[in-house]
Amino acid sequence: GAVVSQHPSWVICKSGTSVKIECRSLDFQATTMFWYRQFPKQSLMLMATSNEGSKATYEQGVEKDKFLINHASLTLSTLTVTSAHPEDSSFYICSASAGDSPLHFGNGTRLTVT
Amino acid sequence: AQSVTQLDSQVPVFEEAPVELRCNYSSSVSVYLFWYVQYPNQGLQLLLKYLSGSTLVKGINGFEAEFNKSQTSFHLRKPSVHISDTAEYFCAVRKVGGAQKLVFGQGTRLTINP
Repeated sequence: GAVVSQHPSWVICKSGTSVKIECRSLDFQATTMFWYRQFPKQSLMLMATSNEGSKATYEQGVEKDKFLINHASLTLSTLTVTSAHPEDSSFYICSASAGDSPLHFGNGTRLTVT
Repeated sequence: AQSVTQLDSQVPVFEEAPVELRCNYSSSVSVYLFWYVQYPNQGLQLLLKYLSGSTLVKGINGFEAEFNKSQTSFHLRKPSVHISDTAEYFCAVRKVGGAQKLVFGQGTRLTINP
């Protein structure tokens, strides 16, 4: 079945540094990728939608300059958390789809900012 | 806009007992409905989905759900649970014909006790 690989699975960084999270579709071309954020014991909140080759569409309240999304190829999207702060600590999950096919989720990245 | 309400944040059940996880939604347009399962520190796995047709849908791991349009509900059921079913369960909707943007409920923590 379709697989979405997310890397790293966990990362610890110091406040003020930037962190890049990768989301890859391993056996299909993902025309659209979604980035979600999940706080402990809470639901997933959509941060942004990225389409290959175009700028990401951010949800209301999400700082696009802080959460940089790049979808340069049909198999890779990246989320960069710039100048991370402790309040950015969270579980970040990507999902990918090809056209109207079912969404496939990555296993998530646990970000801890100290 | 769509919204999803999962009425129970936690459901403790004894092993081999039946379980029902409740989900209600609100939408001014037609929607597709989904149930996902999330194991600790992992992404989401699709359990089942309702797109059209029979209102009773069967999914993986012995789960099923029934779409009730008049009650705007999509409750998830399993006749006999196992310890391995312990996880977080999310109900989600997306607009018919729209982008694959999912709106999630708050999640229900299902705990199976021996």
